Amino acid sequence: DQQVKQNSPSLSVQEGRISILNCDYTNSMFDYFLWYKKYPAEGPTFLISISSIKDKNEDGRFTVFLNKSAKHLSLHIVPSQPGDSAVYFCAASGTSGTYKYIFGTGTRLKVLA
Amino acid sequence: DAGITQSPRHKVTETGTPVTLRCHQTENHRYMYWYRQDPGHGLRLIHYSYGVKDTDKGEVSDGYSVSRSKTEDFLLTLESATSSQTSVYFCAIRGQETSYGYTFGSGTRLTVV
Repeated sequence: DQQVKQNSPSLSVQEGRISILNCDYTNSMFDYFLWYKKYPAEGPTFLISISSIKDKNEDGRFTVFLNKSAKHLSLHIVPSQPGDSAVYFCAASGTSGTYKYIFGTGTRLKVLA
Repeated sequence: DAGITQSPRHKVTETGTPVTLRCHQTENHRYMYWYRQDPGHGLRLIHYSYGVKDTDKGEVSDGYSVSRSKTEDFLLTLESATSSQTSVYFCAIRGQETSYGYTFGSGTRLTVV
């Protein structure tokens, strides 16, 4: 069973608008969450993180929101730029000590110029 | 650069042959991971290591083995390659700072014919 779900395989947004990428998880023991961005033929690169003691974390144009009661997190990109076009993965981990992250299936974002 | 390299970058092999992929890091990180990326499945953990000679299975470990004889190298071996193991393989390393999650290598594209 998929513990981390990204239900939207793709998303298209106009340049300058807000992009909202969503992620749901089922395991209440997850307490650390990450977002990664991936361009074709490259490895995923770290974007932003949030721990379960927070409900929001912001880094420049990127903000991650965590709703623990709903087991839902979202990534907001404002304003969206064409260079943001990539596949975005969310990932979750518990405090097991081995820091094994479970990844979602990814959402392909296309920012239209 | 984060100091993680994967080799080879591309490989085509025949069904039934053994294949070894190498991950090399220069960061002296304790944790190393092997993931595979497939359409519709995102990134799935194959095996991970939490120290020299300390390894454990991930969610899709069947048909794979790993070895870590020194901190900097983590080898993934397909004992007898099958077409279902055609995939892109990513190695990742993790330091002590939880907020940065993993650093990924550039990947190895493996095709089993």
